[in-house]
Amino acid sequence: GQNIDQPTEMTATEGAIVQINCTYQTSGFNGLFWYQQHAGEAPTFLSYNVLDGLEEKGRFSSFLSRSKGYSYLLLKELQMKDSASYLCAVRDSNYQLIWGAGTKLIIKP
Amino acid sequence: EAGVVQSPRYKIIEKKQPVAFWCNPISGHNTLYWYLQNLGQGPELLIRYENEEAVDDSQLPKDRFSAERLKGVDSTLKIQPAELGDSAVYLCASSLVDRTGRNEQFFGPGTRLTVL
Repeated sequence: GQNIDQPTEMTATEGAIVQINCTYQTSGFNGLFWYQQHAGEAPTFLSYNVLDGLEEKGRFSSFLSRSKGYSYLLLKELQMKDSASYLCAVRDSNYQLIWGAGTKLIIKP
Repeated sequence: EAGVVQSPRYKIIEKKQPVAFWCNPISGHNTLYWYLQNLGQGPELLIRYENEEAVDDSQLPKDRFSAERLKGVDSTLKIQPAELGDSAVYLCASSLVDRTGRNEQFFGPGTRLTVL
């Protein structure tokens, strides 16, 4: 079966750095997405990786290793507004998105 | 540019009643998705349309759920009859096939359904 694993919850301090990991086992691979979802709101797109390596976008970076079935989302200079769930999703060979359950990130002052 | 529009935002019904959700995607987006999301879980695909064709409805419980996208633009998802276990947030998303291949999905605010 297809599976996306990510930690259920993480806690970090304002101003610090946090890394959220995602491992996947899917039928084929056509890209990996990270979405942010604040409580009671819809997911919003953060990043997309299709080749190995690091993609940087401001305070957020996303890394992909296809051979290891692994990605991480790195958040720097954490702000209170970064408190949200972070969803990892992989597009399989049928171009269907397989979603993880999300990682709830709690930021403390 | 207007985002994905969904209505209603909230719906409370009694079990065995019918309910319908409406979605208007971002203008020009040819692909439309309906998802179900339970608390603390990721979205679960119900159906995916490319233009007016349902290209993936394998996860749609067809005994009670139906969907349509008649003109390839807006879409309606219906449940009849609703069951207690249908309580969830129903999300609509749209995307555009482009040269990058990214095809990121843009989500609407969702409809929170409560079945009593």
